[in-house]
Amino acid sequence: ELKVEQNPLFLSMQEGKNYTIYCNYSTTSDRLYWYRQDPGKSLESLFVLLSNGAVKQEGRLMASLDTKARLSTLHITAAVHDLSATYFCAVDMGTGNQFYFGTGTSLTVIP
Amino acid sequence: NAGVTQTPKFQVLKTGQSMTLQCAQDMNHNSMYWYRQDPGMGLRLIYYSASEGTTDKGEVPNGYNVSRLNKREFSLRLESAAPSQTSVYFCASASVSGLYNEQFFGPGTRLTVL
Repeated sequence: ELKVEQNPLFLSMQEGKNYTIYCNYSTTSDRLYWYRQDPGKSLESLFVLLSNGAVKQEGRLMASLDTKARLSTLHITAAVHDLSATYFCAVDMGTGNQFYFGTGTSLTVIP
Repeated sequence: NAGVTQTPKFQVLKTGQSMTLQCAQDMNHNSMYWYRQDPGMGLRLIYYSASEGTTDKGEVPNGYNVSRLNKREFSLRLESAAPSQTSVYFCASASVSGLYNEQFFGPGTRLTVL
């Protein structure tokens, strides 16, 4: 069974600061997904990373994938309050049938 | 284009009662999934359906049954609800094309079992 670990689980950061969320997974996979969830809401797709070295950026968020290290990072640049949410990474084994989610990182951006 | 819809949004059951959670998608996706979300545990896959007429167990299938009624609809049934099934349930769909399998999620059903 594939295990997906995120850290930190909770993150409180000041507006304007930078930080990185880490996602480690236990089995070889080259498909990794990042989602955002606002409190009481559903999951919204942020990034799809499909190969080693893939980098995607949207606004203040940048995601990367290192398949050799089995590691993905979500980097936050100059955080703003609107980024407060829970962020999940997920890995699939290529068949599209089994997705494994990390436990999530709850991010709070404070003024 | 509604995406993935789920009903009901909220439900309270007593232990031993049964209910069916409904899910429908209008994106012509082949694959559909049911997850439960519990605090500190992320999302865990209950069942999935790779195509109409097929279903398979995920990580936590005990106490649940599913039906893939047609390409659009995938229902989750609790035959005899237990307090341990108190959770938020999400349905998702994906077009499994071989390149990547991005999932789209419904709004969720918040279930409490007393």
